[in-house]
Amino acid sequence: GIQVEQSPPDLILQEGANSTLRCNFSDSVNNLQWFHQNPWGQLINLFYIPSGTKQNGRLSATTVATERYSLLYISSSQTTDSGVYFCAPHSGGGADGLTFGKGTHLIIQP
Amino acid sequence: DSGVTQTPKHLITATGQRVTLRCSPRSGDLSVYWYQQSLDQGLQFLIQYYNGEERAKGNILERFSAQQFPDLHSELNLSSLELGDSALYFCASSVAPDTYEQYFGPGTRLTVT
Repeated sequence: GIQVEQSPPDLILQEGANSTLRCNFSDSVNNLQWFHQNPWGQLINLFYIPSGTKQNGRLSATTVATERYSLLYISSSQTTDSGVYFCAPHSGGGADGLTFGKGTHLIIQP
Repeated sequence: DSGVTQTPKHLITATGQRVTLRCSPRSGDLSVYWYQQSLDQGLQFLIQYYNGEERAKGNILERFSAQQFPDLHSELNLSSLELGDSALYFCASSVAPDTYEQYFGPGTRLTVT
């Protein structure tokens, strides 16, 4: 199956800082989602982005499907951004679920 | 709120027991997925149903089974529970399989003692 690698595994930043999270995947995809898992365990949809660039407030994401990577940008970080960020591509061509990376654990300090 | 509901939120049970987790998809979604999140394995796909039919299996143990009912809600049955089955179990739903965005419920935290 598809392999997913996220970097960095851990990131500690001060409030107001910007960050870039990276997701590399080993196969072509027809679906890719970014999620934020908050400290209470909820998985929150951030982006559905199989290709191209999208923006939502302080967050934006870019997927370059031909080069098999996706980036999540967080600007002007807030303490509520803390948690784990997961990239989850779906390779399509058959029936299966999303494949999750190990995530980036982000801590925003006040 | 994603619109996907799961019950119960927490479940504590003993080894060897059997439990049932319930999921109601978002209104209009026909596809339901189950995922398990554990410290050892991370987040992994277990099984998928589409409009009442099983469509795909992931890393689901033989002790686990699921079904999707005519009203589209789904149940995940876990039997002969072991300590290692302790995990957060998520249900997700989408309009249709494959390329459509999946929305996750709040999860059921299972603790096996």
